[in-house]
Amino acid sequence: DGGITQSPKYLFRKEGQNVTLSCEQNLNHDAMYWYRQDPGQGLRLIYYSQIVNDFQKGDIAEGYSVSREKKESFPLTVTSAQKNPTAFYLCASSILLGSEKLFFGSGTQLSVL
Amino acid sequence: DQQVKQNSPSLSVQEGRISILNCDYTNSMFDYFLWYKKYPAEGPTFLISISSIKDKNEDGRFTVFLNKSAKHLSLHIVPSQPGDSAVYFCAASAFEGAQKLVFGQGTRLTINP
Repeated sequence: DGGITQSPKYLFRKEGQNVTLSCEQNLNHDAMYWYRQDPGQGLRLIYYSQIVNDFQKGDIAEGYSVSREKKESFPLTVTSAQKNPTAFYLCASSILLGSEKLFFGSGTQLSVL
Repeated sequence: DQQVKQNSPSLSVQEGRISILNCDYTNSMFDYFLWYKKYPAEGPTFLISISSIKDKNEDGRFTVFLNKSAKHLSLHIVPSQPGDSAVYFCAASAFEGAQKLVFGQGTRLTINP
């Protein structure tokens, strides 16, 4: 089955700790994205990547970092600089950067201990 | 600055009746609009879209209407079924593709038997 796999489903972060959220896709999509969802708010774009070894900041990139070493993988690191990391994180992909039809993973709920 | 607004956080509809979900936007440059559906603890899935050159798009029980002069779009579900209970996000983009997709806050639809 083609799709996007996010892991873990739940993640807890201690103060001052960096944590990495995994996102893998086997859809052969070029573009990948990371969104953050907070209660009562729409999805907000953190980072996106059009091709391997290239990525761009979204609207709320501060305190986050990404890498795109393989087409299939787009991990997100939530650094200690992100002061309010508790949220539901969604990874998505699309065939091309210009396509608005996104395919989403099932998300990771990050909470602070 | 909330460019895409879904002013109803929740909506409750009886099974078999029509569900109407509303979305307003402020940016007149938006030219493509989408609806996504999200179940708890899952990622959103694409439902239906409409280009600004149209005022209506239909797909089975789902119809999206676009009123450009009012900067308003709506999603109609007829007849509503229990499986339609979910959070619905509208989203809009302006020429530049998914990296500029702006999401509304979401409306939680509950279909009562």
